[in-house]
Amino acid sequence: DTEVTQTPKHLVMGMTNKKSLKCEQHMGHRAMYWYKQKAKKPPELMFVYSYEKLSINESVPSRFSPECPNSSLLNLHLHALQPEDSALYLCASSQRQGVGSGANVLTFGAGSRLTVL
Amino acid sequence: DAKTTQPPSMDCAEGRAANLPCNHSTISGNEYVYWYRQIHSQGPQYIIHGLKNNETNEMASLIITEDRKSSTLILPHATLRDTAVYYCIVSHAGGTSYGKLTFGQGTILTVHP
Repeated sequence: DTEVTQTPKHLVMGMTNKKSLKCEQHMGHRAMYWYKQKAKKPPELMFVYSYEKLSINESVPSRFSPECPNSSLLNLHLHALQPEDSALYLCASSQRQGVGSGANVLTFGAGSRLTVL
Repeated sequence: DAKTTQPPSMDCAEGRAANLPCNHSTISGNEYVYWYRQIHSQGPQYIIHGLKNNETNEMASLIITEDRKSSTLILPHATLRDTAVYYCIVSHAGGTSYGKLTFGQGTILTVHP
């Protein structure tokens, strides 16, 4: 299995809702990533988990809350979002991050398209 | 991570080679060059990477200059399905930033029939 699976593919939520995005991989990767991509812009890194511990938080607002229950799963909990948070949210995984050396290739999922009303 | 500079857009005729340049003049000795592409509304797809030597795989070739300050991605026989945004990324091969990819603006490649 060489895929990263993201659910749901589309999500519409109001500003007072609480929702979650989910990401799963079964490649044995120990690093997982959340990226945010606005229309016509490049992906921007939000969070990185390495060996189930939060390794990098790119100063993301607290209304986005990541969770890594185990090495195969990554969640992004959403609460009190703003319309400007509407974007494509991309999950990725790689063999490792922050430890070791050498090339490190990320495998991306297809993304979850979020619309905040 | 070193910053990269790519042309905003390029065109290519179907069946011809597409040569996408990337400038990374501040690259350090322990940084890899990676190429990813993103077809409309899909997740980025890994293409190829290299450190010092030229590399080839089933998708593309990567030519890195001897001083490592620039590189070229070559798609040998472009097809309409190669129309995408192509990102050149430089990333550390170790340390706390290891594995962290920072995307630039990329090059929009349009392949014409």
